[in-house]
Amino acid sequence: QSALTQPASVSGSPGQSITISCTGTSSDVGGYDYVCWYQQHPGKAPKLMIYDVSNRPSGVSNRFSGSKSGNTASLTISGLQAEDEADYYCSSYTSSSIVVFGGGTKLTVL
Amino acid sequence: EVQLVESGGGLVKPGGSLRLSCAASGFTFSSYSLNWVRQAPGKGLEWVSSITNSGSYIYYADSVKGRFTISRDNARNSLYLQMNSLRAEDTAVYYCARRYSSSLDYWGQGTLVTVSS
Repeated sequence: QSALTQPASVSGSPGQSITISCTGTSSDVGGYDYVCWYQQHPGKAPKLMIYDVSNRPSGVSNRFSGSKSGNTASLTISGLQAEDEADYYCSSYTSSSIVVFGGGTKLTVL
Repeated sequence: EVQLVESGGGLVKPGGSLRLSCAASGFTFSSYSLNWVRQAPGKGLEWVSSITNSGSYIYYADSVKGRFTISRDNARNSLYLQMNSLRAEDTAVYYCARRYSSSLDYWGQGTLVTVSS
């Protein structure tokens, strides 16, 4: 049950695009189209942003997009806004029917 | 409106026990798998346990296996987490979350569990 690997931090200026990676193995990220992304502001519960690799829940801005290649998934945020500053976590279901999260990435909007 | 409200957190001594509850409303409770996820202070998310809609299948993280027990009461629209043999490293905010497809689409506000002497 090793955690997925994410960069500790990323940053970008308003209006720019950033990408956060999430690397796992063939037993989780690479084996299933079950990658999700969550946004968490300080003191708040996580919010689902992307599910099943690239699907956006109703109400989530189309500035958020997800993709996957092999054992690595990615979250891209385009047209960065100040309110996007938050922690982002990826997750995947695994071959053992459990959930594994990434360590989280702190996004700073400069 | 989907709502998940956790309760039961608090301060407990190492080796002690605590039972968390999660009251659900706004959806057909018996149709969804549910999960517990925790977050230690200043740390990332850690999945703890899940239970299918009927309770037939239950899964635990290795870190809590043998100490925690997840259960649900579909008649009361409630999810539970019985935590025994608590350790300092179990200190965290505990969230309940509903599963939709591969995701956890709705989360409660969390309840803080502090294990300290």
